[in-house]
Amino acid sequence: EAQVTQNPRYLITVTGKKLTVTCSQNMNHEYMSWYRQDPGLGLRQIYYSMNVEVTDKGDVPEGYKVSRKEKRNFPLILESPSPNQTSLYFCASRINRGSNQPQHFGDGTRLSIL
Amino acid sequence: GNSVTQMEGPVTLSEEAFLTINCTYTATGYPSLFWYVQYPGEGLQLLLKATKADDKGSNKGFEATYRKETTSFHLEKGSVQVSDSAVYFCALSDQDSSASKIIFGSGTRLSIRP
Repeated sequence: EAQVTQNPRYLITVTGKKLTVTCSQNMNHEYMSWYRQDPGLGLRQIYYSMNVEVTDKGDVPEGYKVSRKEKRNFPLILESPSPNQTSLYFCASRINRGSNQPQHFGDGTRLSIL
Repeated sequence: GNSVTQMEGPVTLSEEAFLTINCTYTATGYPSLFWYVQYPGEGLQLLLKATKADDKGSNKGFEATYRKETTSFHLEKGSVQVSDSAVYFCALSDQDSSASKIIFGSGTRLSIRP
């Protein structure tokens, strides 16, 4: 089954404790991205990757890092989390950067930073 | 810059009512337009899309027509069901960006009463 898998689904942690949210897709998609969803703001893109070893900042990259060492994986790293990073996070992939290609989303990771 | 504006929710309707969720966009060029749906506890799923002016996207009884003259992509359904309760996002694919970034509206929560 084609899917985007994120882990963990839920995490409560404390300020400053490094964490990683993993994302994996099994569709051989070139393009992957991370979003955060906040009430009234919709989805905002954090980082994206057009292929292996190619990553770039989205609209709200501050406080986040990513890497793309393999095509299927695109982890999101919070080196020193802060309470304003409490949010619902989604990983997404699509076949390539073509503008008419839809994205496939994971089920989300709810992060609470205390 | 490019943007998407959709009607604020929540929208509450009775079963079998007619649904319209308004969406307008600002974009240069000819973006592709999408509607995504998010059911509780899940990620976003593509509901329908349209890639050029006057195209009509349709799926599961929902329809939306790409209107370039009014820069709109309103979502409609003739008879809603309780199972349609979800959050709906209008989105466009930004062809101006090198990565064809997808820009989302803020989402409209729909609740259907039995």
